[in-house]
Parts: sequence; structure tokens; C-alpha cells
Amino acid sequence: QVRLQESGPGLVKPSQTLSLTCTVSGGSISSGSYYWSWIRQPAGKGLEWIGRVSSSGITNYSPSLRSRVTISLDTSKNHFSLQLNSVTAADTAVYYCARETLVGAPFDLWGQGTLVTVSS
Amino acid sequence: DIQMTQSPSSLSASVGDRVTITCRASQSIGSYLNWYQQKPGEAPKLLIYIASTLQSGVPSRFSGSGSGTDFTLTISSLQPEDFATYYCQQSYNARTFGQGTKVEIK
Repeated sequence: QVRLQESGPGLVKPSQTLSLTCTVSGGSISSGSYYWSWIRQPAGKGLEWIGRVSSSGITNYSPSLRSRVTISLDTSKNHFSLQLNSVTAADTAVYYCARETLVGAPFDLWGQGTLVTVSS
Repeated sequence: DIQMTQSPSSLSASVGDRVTITCRASQSIGSYLNWYQQKPGEAPKLLIYIASTLQSGVPSRFSGSGSGTDFTLTISSLQPEDFATYYCQQSYNARTFGQGTKVEIK
């Protein structure tokens, strides 16, 4: 059974870079049948898509975050990563990694989420 | 950007009730509309994709309909485990979610 697990610092200082990794177990991240996405959710608020990477490394980003985001794939470690630059308190949220299928492009599998707080 | 608007933002219902949640897109998205259920402290769970296809393992009391700009999620007979927040999401261009509909116990 495929599982996703986020990892990374839970506290980041303002103006620094938020870095998270999503490790895929039980399946290969190189499968051409999926995209791999990051989604976030501030406390008590809705879901915001950040961006995605394909199994071949092609990326797509939310227009509102594009200038600060990098998503990358490491097939040797079977994980993908998120970097968000120049963070502020507004970037405090639970960050989820998720798998997006090619048929209809829903997010059919999610990690449990990890809380990242931006504070000095 | 495609904006997704759900209504209502919250509703109160009783076990056994029929519940309907609507989602409107700011432009036509064909059938590229997905629905999720989220319970407190948990990740969202996919219920329906391509507007009306039930995800494997999801009870048949959940159904979806619509195309273009107007979509509906229906729960035919609300069960205790269905009290949660529901989100629609478009996958036509980039990805955006509705603001959510919280289904509470009456």
C-alpha cells in the first residue's frame, strides 16, 4: 500500500526558507501515472494548492506562489521536496503532500500533514 | 485564476437527512471537479472525481453531479460519520479549492 509522509522543521524564522520532504513508501515515485503535489491549510481555513512535479521532473506552480516556490523530485530516495522562500507569518500552515492521478486529476492519496510555524 | 465558490458555508442537519452542497466555478471547467471530506485533525479524503465518479471504498450514499460551472454533492442519508467539512476542487487549470462547507449536527 502506497503511503506518503511529510518531514521537515516545524519552526522557520521569517524571511528564511521553508523546506519539506515527502517520502513515498510502497510504490515508486517514478511511475508515470501520477503527479506529486504540495497543498497547505492555515489553521481553521481552507486548502491552497502550492504546486506539483511530474515523474519526469516537470513542475507547475500556483500563480500566487510561483515566485517563491520550488518543487523537486529525487528518484534515488523516492521522495519529492518543497522549498518556499522568504516566508512570513502568513505561510504558517499544515502542509500536505498528495498524489494526483492522471484521470481527472484528483488528489487520491494524502500524507498526514505537518505543521510549519513561521515565527522568530 | 479559476475561483470556486461553495454554498452554504455551513449547515446543520440530522442523521438520515438528505444533504446537498453546491459548488460554482468562475468559468467553465467541464467535468474537472472533485469532492473531498475532511475531519478535524485529518487529511482530506477523496470522495468523488470527474464530477460524478465515486472513489473506490466510498459509500454509495455520496453522489456528485454537474458540469460546466455548476456542481452538486449529495449525501442521500446523512450518517454520524459524515459530519465533517467538504471541499470541491477544480483540476481544469492549475488547482483551486472551494472555501469548504461544514456539516454539523442539528
